[in-house]
Amino acid sequence: EAQVTQNPRYLITVTGKKLTVTCSQNMNHEYMSWYRQDPGLGLRQIYYSMNVEVTDKGDVPEGYKVSRKEKRNFPLILESPSPNQTSLYFCASSLYRGKTQYFGPGTRLLVL
Amino acid sequence: SQQGEEDPQALSIQEGENATMNCSYKTSINNLQWYRQNSGRGLVHLILIRSNEREKHSGRLRVTLDTSKKSSSLLITASRAADTASYFCATDARSGYSTLTFGKGTMLLVSP
Repeated sequence: EAQVTQNPRYLITVTGKKLTVTCSQNMNHEYMSWYRQDPGLGLRQIYYSMNVEVTDKGDVPEGYKVSRKEKRNFPLILESPSPNQTSLYFCASSLYRGKTQYFGPGTRLLVL
Repeated sequence: SQQGEEDPQALSIQEGENATMNCSYKTSINNLQWYRQNSGRGLVHLILIRSNEREKHSGRLRVTLDTSKKSSSLLITASRAADTASYFCATDARSGYSTLTFGKGTMLLVSP
């Protein structure tokens, strides 16, 4: 089944404790992206990747890192999480930029 | 920067009625897409309309695009309770950095 998977689905952590949210797609898509969704603010893009080893900042990249070592994986790293990073995070992929995006189920993060 | 803006923010109708949501954007686009999100879940792609298209249909969905007014509308005909969700427009800008920009969404409630 074609899908985007994210893990974990739910995460509670404390300020400053490094964490990684994994994202994997099995559709051989070149484009992958991370979004955060907050009430009243809609979806905002954090980082995106046009292809392996090619990543770039979105609208709200501060406090986040990403890597794209393999085509299928695009992990989101929070080196020192803070409470303002409490949010619902979505990974998405598409064949190329601007095409239909397929979303993962989301990761709900709470930073205490 | 968020390009798409949906209107209204919330819409409440009865089953069987039609629902119309609008999206306005600011810059030239390659395409505009509509997505649906059930509460807290990942977004699901509904329909993509290219900048050289004026109208597109998919089942009970009808999307129009007016590039001169920089606006689009999504019409859901004969609404069902299962259509209750948030609906987002997303624009693929013709220039600028490579990203699909989402609006804040319209929350649709369809009552039985």
